[in-house]
Amino acid sequence: GENVEQHPSTLSVQEGDSAVIKCTYSDSASNYFPWYKQELGKRPQLIIDIRSNVGEKKDQRIAVTLNKTAKHFSLHITETQPEDSAVYFCAARPNYGQNFVFGPGTRLSVLP
Amino acid sequence: DADVTQTPRNRITKTGKRIMLECSQTKGHDRMYWYRQDPGLGLQLIYYSFDVKDINKGEISDGYSVSRQAQAKFSLSLESAIPNQTALYFCATSQGAGTEAFFGQGTRLTVV
Repeated sequence: GENVEQHPSTLSVQEGDSAVIKCTYSDSASNYFPWYKQELGKRPQLIIDIRSNVGEKKDQRIAVTLNKTAKHFSLHITETQPEDSAVYFCAARPNYGQNFVFGPGTRLSVLP
Repeated sequence: DADVTQTPRNRITKTGKRIMLECSQTKGHDRMYWYRQDPGLGLQLIYYSFDVKDINKGEISDGYSVSRQAQAKFSLSLESAIPNQTALYFCATSQGAGTEAFFGQGTRLTVV
């Protein structure tokens, strides 16, 4: 089955700096990779996703890159703000209808 | 707005008691999931259902059971609660393969 690893487990950056979170997956059949943000006491919510036929996707300050050959994908947040402080989860999902497998999460702290 | 609703939001119960967590959705999605979240361990899948007649175990199903009463309702039961089932529980839904999961607000369960 699929296994997703995520690094780092905690990340502190100064406001305005960039943050990068990396994930690796094991199942080459996985072709959908969402990223979720979970603020303290709230539910995880999708912030960006990417499919395996795309190498990069951007949405304002957030971008995700995917390297299918190496089986890793990364979340990039530029110009970080205090409201970016949260736990971020990556996930992988094979298209044949199996379930999401989540990484263990990264706690991002943006210091003012 | 269409949503995923969990009840109760918080529950304290005693060891050995039977407890049911309920989830209902107005998104019209066919797939529903129950996840457990422990600090530092991400989201672990307990059970999932792709339609009313389809129930499947996830990675940590021991000690739990589920019922899919209708397309919109998916309940999780702890037959005899134990303290290490203290956790935050999330219900989620998705439509088809390769699409994002939408999470409920979560149920914080404490077993004393």
